Amino acid sequence: QQPVQSPQAVILREGEDAVINCSSSKALYSVHWYRQKHGEAPIFLMILLKGGEQKGHDKISASFNEKKQQSSLYLTASQLSYSGTYFCGTEIKHGIQGAQKLVFGQGTRLTINP
Amino acid sequence: GAGVSQSPSNKVTEKGKDVELRCDPISGHTALYWYRQSLGQGLEFLIYFQGNSAPDKSGLPSDRFSAERTGGSVSTLTIQRTQQEDSAVYLCASSLPDRGEKLFFGSGTQLSVL
Repeated sequence: QQPVQSPQAVILREGEDAVINCSSSKALYSVHWYRQKHGEAPIFLMILLKGGEQKGHDKISASFNEKKQQSSLYLTASQLSYSGTYFCGTEIKHGIQGAQKLVFGQGTRLTINP
Repeated sequence: GAGVSQSPSNKVTEKGKDVELRCDPISGHTALYWYRQSLGQGLEFLIYFQGNSAPDKSGLPSDRFSAERTGGSVSTLTIQRTQQEDSAVYLCASSLPDRGEKLFFGSGTQLSVL
């Protein structure tokens, strides 16, 4: 049930672009993206609810291909503050209407160097 | 409170002892999640609650782990007869109950079993 993220780690220079992929063997109802900095709790980035939906803010955006059961996170012109571990979470419908079970991938560690 | 509160923030215990970890979610958040994060690893799903009900307990690693939630608010994760492999950060998150709602994470409890 756990989604698979790739790559596991990325090292960039400031200003470069990165793509993080998330794929699932199960049908996806939604995809969440979170970022966690060392020693801190994960923080929310965005949710994609519909197939083909793309969302973004600032220079971070994401797409959701429901048919392929995949999502990708795009970081453009990366900044030092983008460093951290990125997690995708996939929602699995379970039982009670509206209830959700959110399962996360193993994470992608992103390092941005000056 | 304004955010998800977890206590204690750090817990050091001896192998074989029982521990209780507490999570106080954001007021009005009926969905509550427990995750475990071992050093440098991803977010391992343990259990989630919708109100006081736990629709899915499949993530609990063994019968030494249990969790309850009372009054649709505070949740307690109990680990009996702790083992060294239980050492990890235990993260709690809460959200509104509907599909596609973002999770708000607490700062976690760092559990060390000696």
